[in-house]
Amino acid sequence: EAGVTQFPSHSVIEKGQTVTLRCDPISGHDNLYWYRRVMGKEIKFLLHFVKESKQDESGMPNNRFLAERTGGTYSTLKVQPAELEDSGVYFCASSQGQGPYEQYFGPGTRLTVT
Amino acid sequence: AQSVTQLDSHVSVSEGTPVLLRCNYSSSYSPSLFWYVQHPNKGLQLLLKYTSAATLVKGINGFEAEFKKSETSFHLTKPSAHMSDAAEYFCVVTPRSGGYQKVTFGTGTKLQVIP
Repeated sequence: EAGVTQFPSHSVIEKGQTVTLRCDPISGHDNLYWYRRVMGKEIKFLLHFVKESKQDESGMPNNRFLAERTGGTYSTLKVQPAELEDSGVYFCASSQGQGPYEQYFGPGTRLTVT
Repeated sequence: AQSVTQLDSHVSVSEGTPVLLRCNYSSSYSPSLFWYVQHPNKGLQLLLKYTSAATLVKGINGFEAEFKKSETSFHLTKPSAHMSDAAEYFCVVTPRSGGYQKVTFGTGTKLQVIP
């Protein structure tokens, strides 16, 4: 069974540019989550999809971040325009149901904004 | 509301000696607790989980953790460290009941294993 995959693994962009991160969850997982870890701090929740619907986006830092999940499959997280403080590692995770199920995490995308 | 405190940001042990990574939590709900490990350039991998059954939970690679409600702790232990255990470890809490889960991570503990 393929795990959660994320693309790209690393991205270096200049302040003001746009970046789109992609996450492919495990097949059949309706729940998809985005998290971010900034500068060695704790991993923080960004948002949660159930299929194509946003269940909770309370962790999104501001309106420069836009997440989509077309057709309930893969998800994208766009940052436009990027700021220096957006640098960090963005993790995606997926799970089967909404209960105390473990979430399966991808390897993350390391974003550096210069 | 819920929170997780990992008491040590770095732990260093010699190979073959015991490992103890400490985690304290607070939660308004009955919690589920997890430990994840992240090796360099890899995704987070689930080590073990506590959801409501036995308070002593055994995980992969010889790790185990004990849920102590009175102490609000969920410390991770291993009797004998191996070089391959060097990684970053995260304690995680989530509400046990209800249809929606929202996880809260600790700040992580980096484990160094000295040969």
